[in-house]
This record gives sequence, C-alpha cells and structure tokens, in this order.
Amino acid sequence: GAVVSQHPSRVICKSGTSVKIECRSLDFQATTMFWYRQFPKKSLMLMATSNEGSKATYEQGVEKDKFLINHASLTLSTLTVTSAHPEDSSFYICSATQGTGYTFGSGTRLTVV
Amino acid sequence: KQEVTQIPAALSVPEGENLVLNCSFTDSAIYNLQWFRQDPGKGLTSLLLIQSSQREQTSGRLNASLDKSSGRSTLYIAASQPGDSATYLCAVDRGAGSYQLTFGKGTKLSVIP
Repeated sequence: GAVVSQHPSRVICKSGTSVKIECRSLDFQATTMFWYRQFPKKSLMLMATSNEGSKATYEQGVEKDKFLINHASLTLSTLTVTSAHPEDSSFYICSATQGTGYTFGSGTRLTVV
Repeated sequence: KQEVTQIPAALSVPEGENLVLNCSFTDSAIYNLQWFRQDPGKGLTSLLLIQSSQREQTSGRLNASLDKSSGRSTLYIAASQPGDSATYLCAVDRGAGSYQLTFGKGTKLSVIP
C-alpha cells in the first residue's frame, strides 16, 4: 500500500532557530500534501494544503511566513518552522494523496526550549 | 464551520467487551467520514472510511455506521483486545474529495487484560 515517510520523528530545538520537517511519498506520486498539527488534548488541525509546483494554501490563522511549505516534487514536501518559539511545540503530521485516498506520515514531535 | 465532537474522551473496558465510540459533526454536507487509530507518538492508521452515500462499513471486528442527516457516526468494536488500546479519531472530509479533514479530539481507549 501507499507509504508516507516523515522525518524527523522527534526534534528538540532552541527558541529562535528554524526546523525543517520532511514528508515523502515512497511509492506513489503525491499531487497534494497536507500539513496538520495537534496541540496537547486538542484535535488535529489542518495548517495548509500544498500542491506540487505551486504555493501552499494556508488555513486561517496560520502564518505563512512562519510555516514555510515547499512542495518542489511529486514525492517531497517540507515544512519549515522559522524562528521557532515554545508555543510552536506540537505534533506535526503530513498526509499525501494522489487523488484516490490519502496516507498519513508518522508525525513529528517538535519541542522548542 | 464544521466541528467534530467525540464522546467519550476516554474509555476503559475489560478485555472481551463490546464497545461503541461516538462521533458527531455539525455540518451534514460531508463527502465522507473516516475513523483512524493513533498510537502514542505514532501516525494515523486508517480503519474505516464511509462515503456520504453509505450507511456503514465493516472490517473484521470493527463496524462503523453513518447517519449523515443527524450528523452522527459510531464505531463498534467487538470482543475488544488489549491491542485495541489506542486513541480513535473521527474525521470528516470537507467536501468534493478535497481530502482536507476536520478531526475530533479522539477517544482514548484502554482495554484491560
């Protein structure tokens, strides 16, 4: 079946630094990828939708300059949290679709200290 | 704005018991509804997907029902096992196969041996 690989699974960074999270579709071409985040005891919330070769579409309240999304190829999307702060600490997870269903990555636990 | 609610937030049952998890959504204009399983620190595993035109789906010991008009879905787990312990998430697709999901907060299930 379709597999999505997400790295890293855990990352701890200092406040003010940037962190990049990768999401790769291993055995299919993902026309669209999605980024979600989940704060403790909260629902998974969609952050942005990215289509290969075009700018990402961000949900209301998500800062596009802070959460940079690049979807340069059909198998890779990256999320960069710029100038991370402790309030950005969360569980980030991607999903990918080739138009007939979607597959989730294993998630990234980001802790900003 | 679509809101998804899951009740109960947590559930503990002895092994072998049958159980029901509940999910409700505020906007009945959904494309499909999906149940996921999330293990601690892990990604999401899709369990069952019900299209808006369907009433239920079954997979092994799992049965999911959908009543779109009333905005409700249930996940029935038969003969629960300790390996079923996880958080179960309900999510609805916004529409037209957008694959942009709105999630509930989940029900944390513990099956006691």
